Amino acid sequence: EPEVTQTPSHQVTQMGQEVILRCVPISNHLYFYWYRQILGQKVEFLVSFYNNEISEKSEIFDDQFSVERPDGSNFTLKIRSTKLEDSAMYFCASSAPSGQGYSNQPQHFGDGTRLSIL
Amino acid sequence: QKEVEQDPGPLSVPEGAIVSLNCTYSNSAFQYFMWYRQYSRKGPELLMYTYSSGNKEDGRFTAQVDKSSKYISLFIRDSQPSDSATYLCAMTTDSWGKFQFGAGTQVVVTP
Repeated sequence: EPEVTQTPSHQVTQMGQEVILRCVPISNHLYFYWYRQILGQKVEFLVSFYNNEISEKSEIFDDQFSVERPDGSNFTLKIRSTKLEDSAMYFCASSAPSGQGYSNQPQHFGDGTRLSIL
Repeated sequence: QKEVEQDPGPLSVPEGAIVSLNCTYSNSAFQYFMWYRQYSRKGPELLMYTYSSGNKEDGRFTAQVDKSSKYISLFIRDSQPSDSATYLCAMTTDSWGKFQFGAGTQVVVTP
C-alpha cells in the first residue's frame, strides 16, 4: 500500500537554528498537510497546501514557518529560528478528494519527524 | 467548550472483549469522521472513514456517526493484544479540509 514517508525520523537542533522537515506524499494525492503533536497533547493542524499554494493555516503557523513543494514529489516544512516550544512530532499527510477520477481518499499520515530543540 | 472531546483513558479490556470508544463534538458543520490508530512513536493509521450519519463496518471494526447528537463511536470486536494502541477520532467539514483531532483514547488489551 502506498505510504507517506518522512525524513529524518529524529532531528536534534540548537535553539535559533533553522530546520527543514521533508515529506514524500502518496504519488496521486493532491492535498498536503502538516500537523504537529507536542508530547502528551493532541494532534494539531498547522497548514494545508494545494495547487502550489497554502489553502489554509492555523494560528500556530506564523512567519516562523513556511512550506514548499520544490519538485513533483517532495513537500517540506521549514522552521526558522527554532524555539524550545517547537519540540514536537511533526506529521505530514496527504489526501485525494473525490472527483477528477479519484475516489475520496482521506488523509494518510507519515510516521513523523521527532524534532528536539536544545 | 472543546471542539472535539475524547476520553483519554486508559481503557483496559480482556482479550476477546468488545472495545467501545467515542467522541463528541460541537461543530455541526463536520461531515467527515475518521478513526485512526496510533502506536507509540508512529503516525496515525487510518482505520475507518465515514461521511455523514450512519454505520460502517470493516472486519472487526464498526464506526457509527450520530450527527443529531454530535456523537461518534468506534467498536472493536474480538479485541486482541495487538489492538493495544491510542485511538484518535478526527473530523472535518470538507473532504480536503483540516482535521480536528480528539485527544486520543489509550486502549490496553490484556491477554
